[in-house]
Order: sequence, then C-alpha cells, then structure tokens
Amino acid sequence: NAGVTQTPKFQVLKTGQSMTLQCAQDMNHEYMSWYRQDPGMGLRLIHYSVGAGITDQGEVPNGYNVSRSTTEDFPLRLLSAAPSQTSVYFCASISLGGSTDTQYFGPGTRLTVL
Amino acid sequence: DAKTTQPNSMESNEEEPVHLPCNHSTISGTDYIHWYRQLPSQGPEYVIHGLTSNVNNRMASLAIAEDRKSSTLILHRATLRDAAVYYCILCPSGTYKYIFGTGTRLKVLA
Repeated sequence: NAGVTQTPKFQVLKTGQSMTLQCAQDMNHEYMSWYRQDPGMGLRLIHYSVGAGITDQGEVPNGYNVSRSTTEDFPLRLLSAAPSQTSVYFCASISLGGSTDTQYFGPGTRLTVL
Repeated sequence: DAKTTQPNSMESNEEEPVHLPCNHSTISGTDYIHWYRQLPSQGPEYVIHGLTSNVNNRMASLAIAEDRKSSTLILHRATLRDAAVYYCILCPSGTYKYIFGTGTRLKVLA
C-alpha cells in the first residue's frame, strides 16, 4: 500500500491564482481530512469527509473548497490564493469503526503564496 | 473545544527514559487523548492513545491522571530517531477532529 499520497510536494502561487492540492489513499478509508500547519504551530483542521459525497467544515475552512466523489480521492481547492494561505498542507485518512484509531497523514504540500 | 498545554521543548540523553507531560484541564468526559509525533519535513505519525486507563504499546506508554486533567507520554529508552515534535491531542469521541497544540520538541543527545 502506498498509504496517503499528496501532490504536488511544493507549489508557489501568485495572489489571486487558483489551484487544487491532490490527496489520495489506497486503504479504503472512509474518513479523510485536510489540515494546515503554519510555521512553529500545530496542525489546524480545514475540511473533512466521512465518505463519498459527504464533506464538512473544520476549524479554518474559509478560502478552501473540497469535494469527495470517490473513496480514494479528496482534493482541496484554493479559489483565490492569498499570502495568508502560505502553509504546509497535510491530508489524512482513517478507517471508521476499524480496529485501530490510527490516523495516517500524508507527507504534505508546501505552498507559498506571493 | 478543550485545549492542551505542553512544554515547548525538552532534552534527553540517548538510552534514557523520557517523560513528556501534557495538561488538558478542560477535557470532557468523552475526549480521547492521542499522541502523535512529527519528524522533520514529514507528516505526523501515531504514537499512542487512551481514554482513562494507562496504555502500553511497542513505541511508548501513556499514563493518564486519575482526574484526566493531565497525561504523560513515556518513551522507555530514547534513541536519536525519537527526536521529533510530540503532540498531545484531544479528540471528541465519535469524531476524528483532532485539536492540535503547539507540541513539545524533543531533542535527544548522543
């Protein structure tokens, strides 16, 4: 299993540009989520999904959109990038009702908005 | 949402035990206590979790105070590979909406 994969690893955007951060998992996990991590800080939840077609907001959802059309993929869209969205973005997944409460995190996407 | 408080940094000598404390005085009765660690330039990885009782696994032990207002992650023999930021996280039962604090940066000295 590849686990949780994220692309791209690095991205530089100009203010106002849009882009999609990709996240995929091959563990058939129902629950997927997106976090952002600002320098020297812990992670903050942006959006999450408990299954295909179901998404909800986390702690810091403004400026981001998500959709979940398949179990495997959970893309994060920045509609109009702002310098305040410069951060490292992590995707995570976990099996609902599984025998373990381990949430698996991807390697992250480092985004810089100029 | 309940918050956690951890020391910013700690140091330990290699091969010695490490006790990483966490305060969560506003924890609710159904919040689980999770510990994750983050190695440089990587995503967080699971260490251990518990609700009320002390827990052990191959990586670490988790000691939870009787009133649940604090907990301690115990690494029995620190190695250089254990150098990381350790996060104590509260997770409301039935959700996976982790509430991260700023974590403790553990430095392991050879």
